[in-house]
Amino acid sequence: KNEVEQSPQNLTAQEGEFITINCSYSVGISALHWLQQHPGGGIVSLFMLSSGKKKHGRLIATINIQEKHSSLHITASHPRDSAVYICKWGSQGNLIFGKGTKLSVKP
Amino acid sequence: DVKVTQSSRYLVKRTGEKVFLECVQDMDHENMFWYRQDPGLGLRLIYFSYDVKMKEKGDIPEGYSVSREKKERFSLILESASTNQTSMYLCASSPSGTKSGELFFGEGSRLTVL
Repeated sequence: KNEVEQSPQNLTAQEGEFITINCSYSVGISALHWLQQHPGGGIVSLFMLSSGKKKHGRLIATINIQEKHSSLHITASHPRDSAVYICKWGSQGNLIFGKGTKLSVKP
Repeated sequence: DVKVTQSSRYLVKRTGEKVFLECVQDMDHENMFWYRQDPGLGLRLIYFSYDVKMKEKGDIPEGYSVSREKKERFSLILESASTNQTSMYLCASSPSGTKSGELFFGEGSRLTVL
């Protein structure tokens, strides 16, 4: 069965800490997405990765296709980073979502 | 920017009521999706549509139906709401022909069934 495993499920951090969220998948893929969902509910796309690393501000996403693993890092975390982070892979008609990591950053 | 608009952010309904959740997208996308999101279960696909008047069942279609009479609008219908349908409902759209799997989501509709 095609699956995505995300860890941790919940994460609490102090402001300024370095955050890592992990995503492992069971079959070969061409691209993986990281999504962010704020408490209001809407989901936005952060990254689409097919290899290597991407950086946007304090967010860094890496992927190792051979090891079927991706990580999302947040440097110098801030309370406004508090959200649910979701990894997703697949193509149209067959999208697999991780269950999400709920991040709370305390001031 | 792509905009996906869901008609209601919060709804409270009673068991047995008929519920309509509306979703409109303004970027002429062919593909539209309805998901529900529950704690510990993540996003689960209810129904999707690749074209007007076309619909396909997702992973959990039971208790739901959909309607796509116009390209920009995809409606989710709960014929007789039940308490186990209390959830966050998310609509999404994407253009056809893309293999990247990128979706554009609405803000979500949080439904409570009493």
